[in-house]
Amino acid sequence: GAVVSQHPSWVICKSGTSVKIECRSLDFQATTMFWYRQFPKQSLMLMATSNEGSKATYEQGVEKDKFLINHASLTLSTLTVTSAHPEDSSFYICSARHLTNEKLFFGSGTQLSVL
Amino acid sequence: AQKITQTQPGMFVQEKEAVTLDCTYDTSDPSYGLFWYKQPSSGEMIFLIYQGSYDQQNATEGRYSLNFQKARKSANLVISASQLGDSAMYFCAMREGQGAGGTSYGKLTFGQGTILTVHP
Repeated sequence: GAVVSQHPSWVICKSGTSVKIECRSLDFQATTMFWYRQFPKQSLMLMATSNEGSKATYEQGVEKDKFLINHASLTLSTLTVTSAHPEDSSFYICSARHLTNEKLFFGSGTQLSVL
Repeated sequence: AQKITQTQPGMFVQEKEAVTLDCTYDTSDPSYGLFWYKQPSSGEMIFLIYQGSYDQQNATEGRYSLNFQKARKSANLVISASQLGDSAMYFCAMREGQGAGGTSYGKLTFGQGTILTVHP
């Protein structure tokens, strides 16, 4: 089956630093990837839709300058949390939509802890 | 606006018994898709089952079946013969529109989730 690799699986950083999270489709192409955020024992909230070669579409209330998304190729989207603060600590998970069959595949998620 | 509601924060079931996890939804879009995902403590999202709004029959995938009642806007997940490994968080989700592939298309709106605990 199709695999989406998300890296790193967990990261601890100091307040004020930036963290980059990668979402890579390993054996298929994905023109669209989605980034979600999840707090402990809560639902997944869509942050943004990432389209290859164009600007990401952010959901209402999500700061685009805070959460930078780049989708430079058909297999890779990155989410950069800039100037991270403790309130940015969360589980971030991506999903990739298969180019041909349109199925969605999720990455394994990234746990971000900002000290 | 879409809305997905899971009213059961937690459910308990005895091993080998069946359990139903509730999900209701609200949309004005006549074309939509409903999903169930399982999220174990490791965090990964495991796809379980899909139901399209125009599908005539309820979806089934092994021990999972979806009780789709369109008029009531409900899409309950039924897990038969529960196993200890079924203990996890379960999410109901909906997406707008229905792509050519049917099973997945576009962004998903998730419910609040239900924590299922299977007792031996």
